[in-house]
Amino acid sequence: DAGVIQSPRHEVTEMGQEVTLRCKPISGHDYLFWYRQTMMRGLELLIYFNNNVPIDDSGMPEDRFSAKMPNASFSTLKIQPSEPRDSAVYFCASSFFGLAGVEQYFGPGTRLTVT
Amino acid sequence: AQTVTQSQPEMSVQEAETVTLSCTYDTSESDYYLFWYKQPPSRQMILVIRQEAYKQQNATENRFSVNFQKAAKSFSLKISDSQLGDAAMYFCAYRSALVIQGAQKLVFGQGTRLTINP
Repeated sequence: DAGVIQSPRHEVTEMGQEVTLRCKPISGHDYLFWYRQTMMRGLELLIYFNNNVPIDDSGMPEDRFSAKMPNASFSTLKIQPSEPRDSAVYFCASSFFGLAGVEQYFGPGTRLTVT
Repeated sequence: AQTVTQSQPEMSVQEAETVTLSCTYDTSESDYYLFWYKQPPSRQMILVIRQEAYKQQNATENRFSVNFQKAAKSFSLKISDSQLGDAAMYFCAYRSALVIQGAQKLVFGQGTRLTINP
């Protein structure tokens, strides 16, 4: 299996621009998570999906952030408009539900820089 | 809400020696999972080891083992025979075992940066 795939790996954009981060989970996994990592706040959950349905979006910072999962193999995290404080590494992770499926497998992350 | 605390921002150890990273957590739940993840400079999050709270036996994966003290809510990671490739950020994480929606997220500690001295 190729693991969790994220694109792009690096994104540099100017303040006010729209940014879209993409994720392909591991085939067969029914949970997908978006995390953000910053020096100040560490690793924090933004939102997660189960069977393509958003379950907990309490970590989404504000209305500028939105996430979708149109099918089992694809999810996007969009920031519009972007701000310098959004600069961070964004991770996507996936897992499947069950006694043997408690681990979350992480993608390589997208490093976002907003200037 | 659950919290995870790693009180050692940085640790260093000589190659081939043993080092222990500390983690404490707070929860009112009786069943849960604990994890240690490794993040090398490549920034990839790699699962090192997991522990189920209902198991009394401490988990072991090759050179990595944990000391799980449920009553004290402590979950330390011991790395034996440290190697240069072990240099990384290490994160402790908690996950509820509740079978309800909303319980599947990981709660992370702030991390410990481990340096291996040759």
